[in-house]
Amino acid sequence: GQQVMQIPQYQHVQEGEDFTTYCNSSTTLSNIQWYKQRPGGHPVFLIQLVKSGEVKKQKRLTFQFGEAKKNSSLHITATQTTDVGTYFCAGPSSAGGTSYGKLTFGQGTILTVHP
Amino acid sequence: DAGITQSPRYKITETGRQVTLMCHQTWSHSYMFWYRQDLGHGLRLIYYSAAADITDKGEVPDGYVVSRSKTENFPLTLESATRSQTSVYFCASSEGGPLTFGSGTRLTVV
Repeated sequence: GQQVMQIPQYQHVQEGEDFTTYCNSSTTLSNIQWYKQRPGGHPVFLIQLVKSGEVKKQKRLTFQFGEAKKNSSLHITATQTTDVGTYFCAGPSSAGGTSYGKLTFGQGTILTVHP
Repeated sequence: DAGITQSPRYKITETGRQVTLMCHQTWSHSYMFWYRQDLGHGLRLIYYSAAADITDKGEVPDGYVVSRSKTENFPLTLESATRSQTSVYFCASSEGGPLTFGSGTRLTVV
C-alpha cells in the first residue's frame, strides 16, 4: 500500500538555526498537506500544496512540493521556541482512485528548540 | 464553538473490558476519521466514515468497532481492550480537504 516516509525522526536545534524536514511518498500525490502538533496537543493543519513544483511561504516557514509530486519539504528559517512540536506531512490515501478524504501520514519529525 | 470534541480526555481501563470513545462535530462534515498515535508510527487510520451509516476500515482496524447513525457523531468502541491498544486516539473530520482534529483521548489499558 501507499507509504509516506518522513525524515528525520528527531531534530534538535539551537534557537535561531534553520530546520528542514523531508517527506517522500511511494506514489504520486494529488496534493500534500502539512500539520503541526504542539507537545500534548492535537495536529493542526498548516498548508496544502497542489501544483507540481509549488512553493508556499508562511512567515518563516517555506513549503515545497516536488516536480514529480512525490516529495515535499518544510523549511523553517531562524527557529524560535514557539516552533517546538511535531511536523507531519500527509497525502491522500487512494482506494480505487477515490480517497474519501482519507490521509496517510508520515511518521512526523519531532523538533526541539534549545533557547 | 467547540467544533469537534472528544470524550473522555483520559481513560484507564482493564484488559478485556469494552470501552467507547466519543467524537462529536458541529460542522456537519461528511467525512469523519479515527486515528491512533503511537511513538514511531505517526498517525495511523483505524476507521473512517464518508457519511451517516457508511463506514469502512482503515490501516489498523482489528479490535475496533465504529458506528455512525448521525452525521455529527462517530464513536469508536474497543470490544475487548488489550494492552497494545494503549495509545492516543484522535478523531477528525473534513469535507474532503484538510482534517480538523479533536483534542484526543489518551487511553491506557492495564
